[in-house]
Amino acid sequence: EVQLLESGGGLVQPGGSLRLSCAASGFTFSGYTMSWVRQAPGKGLEWVAAITGGLITTYYVDSVKGRLTISRDNSKNTLYLQMNSLRADDTAVYYCAKPRAVTTSYFDYWGQGTLVTVSS
Amino acid sequence: EIVLTQSPATLSLSPGEGATLSCRASQSVSSSLAWYQHKPGQAPRLLIYDASNRATGIPARFSGSGSGTDFTLTISSLESEDFAVYYCQQRSSWPLTFGGGTKVEIK
Repeated sequence: EVQLLESGGGLVQPGGSLRLSCAASGFTFSGYTMSWVRQAPGKGLEWVAAITGGLITTYYVDSVKGRLTISRDNSKNTLYLQMNSLRADDTAVYYCAKPRAVTTSYFDYWGQGTLVTVSS
Repeated sequence: EIVLTQSPATLSLSPGEGATLSCRASQSVSSSLAWYQHKPGQAPRLLIYDASNRATGIPARFSGSGSGTDFTLTISSLESEDFAVYYCQQRSSWPLTFGGGTKVEIK
């Protein structure tokens, strides 16, 4: 059974840092391009970042470039999101998401989400 | 960046009625489009991928159509569990993008 378990969310002041983790199980983690998707309060879904399984190419939405960094440890089946220089508009529930196939980016499994609140 | 515009923002319907949701892309995404259902407190659920393929376990009352820039999600007869927010998502090019969502609410 595929499972994605996020952790690391919490309250942080503007300008602060946080690292999210997503522990994956039930599938060949290293074979999939994994993503982070977020939902701000009262807003829609926003894709944030992705990282390929093997060659370690990364992709980001413009609004987070230079501040958020996606990474992975295939030996630990874990996905990370290092969040620096956080702003109020980064407040959201952050989901890690697995695509339905190694060659696609439609997400068939999602974690339960972890809430990040940026506030003073 | 490909912008996805969903309409209408809200659909007020009764159980048993049909629903038609629209997603328009700012440039062609070919058939590289998916639809998700999202309920409060839950993870999004993949319904349709590649514009018209139902995901595993999705009931036949959900269907998708379209290609290029115009796409439609049709729910043939609404069940009580179908009242939710629906999003389209393109994978044609990076960055991946979602539409703003259509809320299907009980009339």
